[in-house]
Amino acid sequence: DGGITQSPKYLFRKEGQNVTLSCEQNLNHDAMYWYRQDPGQGLRLIYYSQIVNDFQKGDIAEGYSVSREKKESFPLTVTSAQKNPTAFYLCASSHGQRATNEKLFFGSGTQLSVL
Amino acid sequence: AQKITQTQPGMFVQEKEAVTLDCTYDTSDQSYGLFWYKQPSSGEMIFLIYQGSYDEQNATEGRYSLNFQKARKSANLVISASQLGDSAMYFCAMREYIRNSGNTPLVFGKGTRLSVIA
Repeated sequence: DGGITQSPKYLFRKEGQNVTLSCEQNLNHDAMYWYRQDPGQGLRLIYYSQIVNDFQKGDIAEGYSVSREKKESFPLTVTSAQKNPTAFYLCASSHGQRATNEKLFFGSGTQLSVL
Repeated sequence: AQKITQTQPGMFVQEKEAVTLDCTYDTSDQSYGLFWYKQPSSGEMIFLIYQGSYDEQNATEGRYSLNFQKARKSANLVISASQLGDSAMYFCAMREYIRNSGNTPLVFGKGTRLSVIA
């Protein structure tokens, strides 16, 4: 079945540690996205990529980094510079961003907590 | 300023009744798209319905319909014949087309938690 796989489902980070969240898609989508969800805050865009080897910052990119070396993969690293990393992280993909009606397909999310 | 405003943090509805979830948006662009997503307690985001700014008719998908009032910049989701499985968070989102720049990523509202009561 085609879809988006996020792993792990739960992740714990120690102070000063970098952690990487995995996102893989087999939908042959060009565009991929990372959103952060906090209670009562909705979804906020961290980074997005419209094509391999290219990505753009979203609204809350500070303390995060990404790479897009393969079409299928868009890992997110939460660095030690992110002082409040506890949140639910959602990865999404779409065919692209060329049309306003392009819907996003989401993974099942990763809950990151700080120890 | 918020691009998407959902003023109802929580809503209750009786099973089999209809419910309207409010969404207002802010844009100066003529071309944009509006989306509604459902998020059950499992966390996944499920696409429900889409309305384009140039669509003259309100979008419908099964029990979901969108009450699109362009002049008021509102795109309310109507769920008819509510079921217990409709209990979830509901998010309104928008994508804008900006001249010389293209389409933007989806921007989401803060969501409304719907609880369906038996």
